[in-house]
Amino acid sequence: EVQLLESGGGLVQPGGSLRLSCAASGFTFDMSAMNWVRQAPGKGLEWVSGITGSGDSTYYGDSVKGRFTISRDNSKSTLYLQMNSLRAEDTAVYYCAKDHRMAKISWIDNWGQGSLVTVSS
Amino acid sequence: DIVMTQSPDSLAVSLGERATINCKSSQSIFYSSNNKNYLAWYQQKPGQSPKLLIYWASTRESGVPDRFSGSGSGTDFTLTISSLQAEDVAVYYCQQYSVTPCSFGQGTKLEIK
Repeated sequence: EVQLLESGGGLVQPGGSLRLSCAASGFTFDMSAMNWVRQAPGKGLEWVSGITGSGDSTYYGDSVKGRFTISRDNSKSTLYLQMNSLRAEDTAVYYCAKDHRMAKISWIDNWGQGSLVTVSS
Repeated sequence: DIVMTQSPDSLAVSLGERATINCKSSQSIFYSSNNKNYLAWYQQKPGQSPKLLIYWASTRESGVPDRFSGSGSGTDFTLTISSLQAEDVAVYYCQQYSVTPCSFGQGTKLEIK
């Protein structure tokens, strides 16, 4: 059974930084691209970032480009999202999401439970 | 970037009736090289994470009831629930994965009439 367990969320001040982690199990981690998708309170889904299985290609949404960095440690089956220069509009539940493919970003076949990030003073 | 627009924003359907949700992309997400439409549909029930229903616009994910079906090509797509059940109350999202950044529709909230 695929399990994706996010951690690292919490309250942070505007301009601050936070790093999310996602511990994966139940599948061969380096055989899957991975994504972060967020959902602001009461709002829809927004794709944030993706990374290929090998980690050699990364992709970002326009709203986070230059502020967020996605990475992965395949030896630890863990996905990360480093978030810098956080803004109030980054407040959301952040989902770790397993991609169906390895070398390209495609559809998401498994989702974590989410980690809440609140940006407020 | 590709913009995905769903209609309607909300929908109320009687139990046992058909529900239809539309999704339109700002540019074609069909590739003639493999004859595929790069579109997925997800269901998000209240308080839960999203769940994959359909990919390649019309391929049902394993375990998804066959009352769910996807259709369309190019820029216009439809998710149909042939006979609405109480457990289908949820918000439904389409997603294009043709190009990055990937993008979701704004969601369609489905309720029981």
